[in-house]
Amino acid sequence: EAQVTQNPRYLITVTGKKLTVTCSQNMNHEYMSWYRQDPGLGLRQIYYSMNVEVTDKGDVPEGYKVSRKEKRNFPLILESPSPNQTSLYFCASMGASGELFFGEGSRLTVL
Amino acid sequence: AQTVTQSQPEMSVQEAETVTLSCTYDTSESDYYLFWYKQPPSRQMILVIRQEAYKQQNATENRFSVNFQKAAKSFSLKISDSQLGDAAMYFCAYRSRDGGTSYGKLTFGQGTILTVHP
Repeated sequence: EAQVTQNPRYLITVTGKKLTVTCSQNMNHEYMSWYRQDPGLGLRQIYYSMNVEVTDKGDVPEGYKVSRKEKRNFPLILESPSPNQTSLYFCASMGASGELFFGEGSRLTVL
Repeated sequence: AQTVTQSQPEMSVQEAETVTLSCTYDTSESDYYLFWYKQPPSRQMILVIRQEAYKQQNATENRFSVNFQKAAKSFSLKISDSQLGDAAMYFCAYRSRDGGTSYGKLTFGQGTILTVHP
């Protein structure tokens, strides 16, 4: 089954404790991206990757890092999480037709 | 930069009735895509319908159709014969067709919560 898989789905952590949200897709897509969803703001792009080893900032990159060492994986790294990073996070990959395929979301709470 | 505005935070409809969700956008580009996504309580983002700006014909997917007014920069979603399973948050989104730094990026509206009453 074609899918984008994120882990963990739920996480509660404390300020400053480094964490990584993994994202993997099995559709051989070149393009992948991360979004955060906050009430009243919709979804906003954090980072994107056109292909392996090529990543760039989206609209809200502060406090986040990404890496793209393999085509299928695109982890999101929070080196020192803060409470304002409490959010719902989505990973997505883009198919040849231009459609975005979203993961199921990761609910992160930073205390 | 492009912006997308959904002016209706919440809407409600009776089962089997029709409801229209509004969306306006701002862009200086002439070629782009517009989307409606549905987000049920499961949080999964589900593509409902897609419109390409160069196509004058309004997109339709079963009970879902759009009214695309390019000059007015308006992109409303009409749901006919509403069902209980249509209850969800609906997001309007824009994507540039050009390359560059906007390639692949979706710009979302704030969302509209749709409640369906039995």
